[in-house]
Amino acid sequence: AQSVTQPDIHITVSEGASLELRCNYSYGATPYLFWYVQSPGQGLQLLLKYFSGDTLVQGIKGFEAEFKRSQSSFNLRKPSVHWSDAAEYFCAVGPGDYKLSFGAGTTVTVRA
Amino acid sequence: KAGVTQTPRYLIKTRGQQVTLSCSPISGHRSVSWYQQTPGQGLQFLFEYFSETQRNKGNFPGRFSGRQFSNSRSEMNVSTLELGDSALYLCASSLEGPLGNSPLHFGNGTRLTVT
Repeated sequence: AQSVTQPDIHITVSEGASLELRCNYSYGATPYLFWYVQSPGQGLQLLLKYFSGDTLVQGIKGFEAEFKRSQSSFNLRKPSVHWSDAAEYFCAVGPGDYKLSFGAGTTVTVRA
Repeated sequence: KAGVTQTPRYLIKTRGQQVTLSCSPISGHRSVSWYQQTPGQGLQFLFEYFSETQRNKGNFPGRFSGRQFSNSRSEMNVSTLELGDSALYLCASSLEGPLGNSPLHFGNGTRLTVT
């Protein structure tokens, strides 16, 4: 069975500071990994994806994530956070049984 | 290219009623997935369709059903609504579905409130 753990429910970060969101997954083979962001009342927007190849993945809005097989992790990072980055972030793993499994999400608050 | 369109955006229904939600995928996408999002359970997989065939169904009661049409548009139906069905229902489309290396693109969801 596939699963995702996002250990941090809520993170507060100052504008301009760096951000790292943790994601640990469980999957029996080489996983597909994703990070999505959700603003209030909206659907999920894809930030970045990992299917294979280079383990450091670049995404939109200045985000990047690194796949570490030995640690079963796919942490999301951003060097300098903007107020507009305040949102909920979801890590997902697949593609077992034609579905993605999502973590519980991490809410990011950005303080001025 | 237009994104995934879900209609309606908001619905208020009474217990015992039924509801139908609609999803129009991105043009050219043949896979449609549905997820239920609630504060307590997070994102839960409902079902996935590809070329009108349901390839997987999540752990939901039979009151939840879906279908996909030949133009890839999809509908999901919930019968005999319960208070616990109140949620944001998200539809996602992709070229080939989760097994292919094409990501899921989500719509903005339908917010269902059951009173």
